[in-house]
Amino acid sequence: AQTVTQSQPEMSVQEAETVTLSCTYDTSESDYYLFWYKQPPSRQMILVIRQEAYKQQNATENRFSVNFQKAAKSFSLKISDSQLGDAAMYFCAYRSYSGAGSYQLTFGKGTKLSVIP
Amino acid sequence: DGGITQSPKYLFRKEGQNVTLSCEQNLNHDAMYWYRQDPGQGLRLIYYSHIVNDFQKGDIAEGYSVSREKKESFPLTVTSAQKNPTAFYLCASSLRTGNVYGYTFGSGTRLTVV
Repeated sequence: AQTVTQSQPEMSVQEAETVTLSCTYDTSESDYYLFWYKQPPSRQMILVIRQEAYKQQNATENRFSVNFQKAAKSFSLKISDSQLGDAAMYFCAYRSYSGAGSYQLTFGKGTKLSVIP
Repeated sequence: DGGITQSPKYLFRKEGQNVTLSCEQNLNHDAMYWYRQDPGQGLRLIYYSHIVNDFQKGDIAEGYSVSREKKESFPLTVTSAQKNPTAFYLCASSLRTGNVYGYTFGSGTRLTVV
């Protein structure tokens, strides 16, 4: 079974600075998808960014970007120009095949990000 | 607007009781999922269903049951056999084929045993 590891339970960043959240995963597949989700205090899960493994180019969504290292099985999230609204739990997720043409997401344990004014 | 509705937002259960958490979606998604969230544990999969009238156990199915009689609905019952049911429960849905855009989540139900 695939596993997703987020080694930083908590992190903090100064407002307007840059922070990187790490994620590693274990898989034997060659083609797959990876995701970062944000869960603010409201607890609503929000998709931040996704990456297709067969694409070499790192995904970017405004201030959010990833550093995808396929050989190292690493998928880190970089948040630039951090804002107070970025304070949240961040979950890394891997899409794994569950049979019969269907897939499911496996999540890491999350990193709690605090933004210091 | 399309989305997923979970109800109730807060639920209190007495010891030995069964309770049912509701999850309804109007996104025309085939697949639906139930996750349990505990502090420091991330999201753990309880049950999932990729098609009506079919569902599969996830990693922590013991003490839970589900049904999928309609495409739009995937209720979760927390039975008295669940030893530690106090947690935050999230329902999600996705297109069955691919899931390349991830899941759409509901806003969750907080279950507390009293």
